[in-house]
Amino acid sequence: DTEVTQTPKHLVMGMTNKKSLKCEQHMGHRAMYWYKQKAKKPPELMFVYSYEKLSINESVPSRFSPECPNSSLLNLHLHALQPEDSALYLCASSPQGAVTEAFFGQGTRLTVV
Amino acid sequence: DAKTTQPNSMESNEEEPVHLPCNHSTISGTDYIHWYRQLPSQGPEYVIHGLTSNVNNRMASLAIAEDRKSSTLILHRATLRDAAVYYCILRDVDRDDKIIFGKGTRLHILP
Repeated sequence: DTEVTQTPKHLVMGMTNKKSLKCEQHMGHRAMYWYKQKAKKPPELMFVYSYEKLSINESVPSRFSPECPNSSLLNLHLHALQPEDSALYLCASSPQGAVTEAFFGQGTRLTVV
Repeated sequence: DAKTTQPNSMESNEEEPVHLPCNHSTISGTDYIHWYRQLPSQGPEYVIHGLTSNVNNRMASLAIAEDRKSSTLILHRATLRDAAVYYCILRDVDRDDKIIFGKGTRLHILP
């Protein structure tokens, strides 16, 4: 199984809602990532987890809260988002850094209304 | 983070080879050169990576300049399914968890 699975595929939420994005991989990868991608732009790194601990936070606003409950699962909790947070949110995983490839999910298309 | 420079867009005819260039003049000795591509409405997918020597796999070839300040991704026989945004990314083995995307090259394939 070489897949990174993201759910849901689409999400519409109000600015006062709380929702979560989920990402799962069963490849035993030690690093997991969240990216945000706006239309016609490259993916922007948000967070990196290494061995289930947050290792990189790219100055992301606190309304985005990541969580890594176990080595296979990565969540992104969303609260009080703004319309400009509407984007494609991508999850990725990687076994061991620069010498290996990363695997990306198909993303969750988030719309904040 | 070492930066990469790629042309914004390129066109190629179907069934012809495509050479996608990438400049990385500030590359360090611990940077691996990675290529990913993103097809429409999909997440990025890995294409190839290398350090110093040229690399081949079933998808593409990677040609790395002797001074490592540039590289070229070669698609040997482009198909319509190769139309995508191609990203050249440097990954530092000492800061190995970061994967930072530049603007990439949008490749158009003409039938």
